[in-house]
Amino acid sequence: NAGVMQNPRHLVRRRGQEARLRCSPMKGHSHVYWYRQLPEEGLKFMVYLQKENIIDESGMPKERFSAEFPKEGPSILRIQQVVRGDSAAYFCASSPQRAGAHEKLFFGSGTQLSVL
Amino acid sequence: AQSVTQPDIHITVSEGASLELRCNYSYGATPYLFWYVQSPGQGLQLLLKYFSGDTLVQGIKGFEAEFKRSQSSFNLRKPSVHWSDAAEYFCAVGSLVGSQGNLIFGKGTKLSVKP
Repeated sequence: NAGVMQNPRHLVRRRGQEARLRCSPMKGHSHVYWYRQLPEEGLKFMVYLQKENIIDESGMPKERFSAEFPKEGPSILRIQQVVRGDSAAYFCASSPQRAGAHEKLFFGSGTQLSVL
Repeated sequence: AQSVTQPDIHITVSEGASLELRCNYSYGATPYLFWYVQSPGQGLQLLLKYFSGDTLVQGIKGFEAEFKRSQSSFNLRKPSVHWSDAAEYFCAVGSLVGSQGNLIFGKGTKLSVKP
């Protein structure tokens, strides 16, 4: 069984360009979470999505960032007009249902975004 | 404010020695607690979690952790470290109420193992 798949593994963008990060959850999982890991920091929650719905985006920056999880296809984290401060590792996690004490998250290997 | 503190940024132990990684949390609600391990270039793997019951939790790879409410701590231990344990370890906390997988992570402790 394939785990949580993220691509690309590494993404290089120049300031002002757009970055699109993809996440395919584990088979049978309909809940996706995005986390960002800045250098020397722990992971920070960004957004929680179910199919076609954003459930909690309390960790998303107010501008330039958006996320979707369409009925078909992977979840996409989109960053418009990237700046150097967006350079980080972006991790996706999935779960078969709403994650709680009895449900664990399965993490992907992450996308390392570098903004030049 | 809700937070997780891992006081040790980097720890080096000899192979075969015992290990304890510290984690302290500040959380208003009843917490549930996790330890994850991240190998270079990899995603996070869950080592163990605590949400109720016995305060000493057994995990994978020979790890255990003890929840001490009075000290707001959830330290990770292993009696004998193997070279393959070299990685970064993250403590995380979430809530039993309304949990949505939006965990709060510490900054991590990098473990090096010397032969």
